[in-house]
Amino acid sequence: DADVTQTPRNRITKTGKRIMLECSQTKGHDRMYWYRQDPGLGLRLIYYSFDVKDINKGEISDGYSVSRQAQAKFSLSLESAIPNQTALYFCATSGPGASNTEAFFGQGTRLTVV
Amino acid sequence: AQSVAQPEDQVNVAEGNPLTVKCTYSVSGNPYLFWYVQYPNRGLQFLLKYITGDNLVKGSYGFEAEFNKSQTSFHLKKPSALVSDSALYFCAVRDLYNFNKFYFGSGTKLNVKP
Repeated sequence: DADVTQTPRNRITKTGKRIMLECSQTKGHDRMYWYRQDPGLGLRLIYYSFDVKDINKGEISDGYSVSRQAQAKFSLSLESAIPNQTALYFCATSGPGASNTEAFFGQGTRLTVV
Repeated sequence: AQSVAQPEDQVNVAEGNPLTVKCTYSVSGNPYLFWYVQYPNRGLQFLLKYITGDNLVKGSYGFEAEFNKSQTSFHLKKPSALVSDSALYFCAVRDLYNFNKFYFGSGTKLNVKP
């Protein structure tokens, strides 16, 4: 089983619909992140969380919200989807210390808003 | 502001030839630097990292990277490219002074031709 699991893997939704992307991890990491990938733009940070009570906006949080239901679960919601939110979305986790420096990524969710 | 630049959208190299994928960074303090690889329809996989110590770091699949503090660069290298190395490569920096956020470059597509 993957250490960082995202569901769904693919989703097509209509403009104006609410959609939730889910992420769960078995790494035991406290830090979790949501990124969006667009061609030529790399990965841009949407939200990040350091524990259940800590939620922070990233570079491009407008139009998105998140929920950290538990240390292992971090969900991303689009309250009213629009076509320019069509992208590949990644969840990632990382640990705090010198021995846990890199981020670990899920397989991604490809979202298409029509 | 923290940033990562990958000046080449695409790098083409023949199989068996050495390859270099370039990355420069801007970060406060000592950088934590990373390289990730993304194969089609997959998440990002960690390749290698520089935290401290030897400027030449070795990673997965025969890749290595050279940290150059004076040039603020962290170029990815491999002595002999394989067709299977063809993928999208991302350079990233972890900002220890700003909530441990990760910043990613825009990605470089590596094409290795037989």
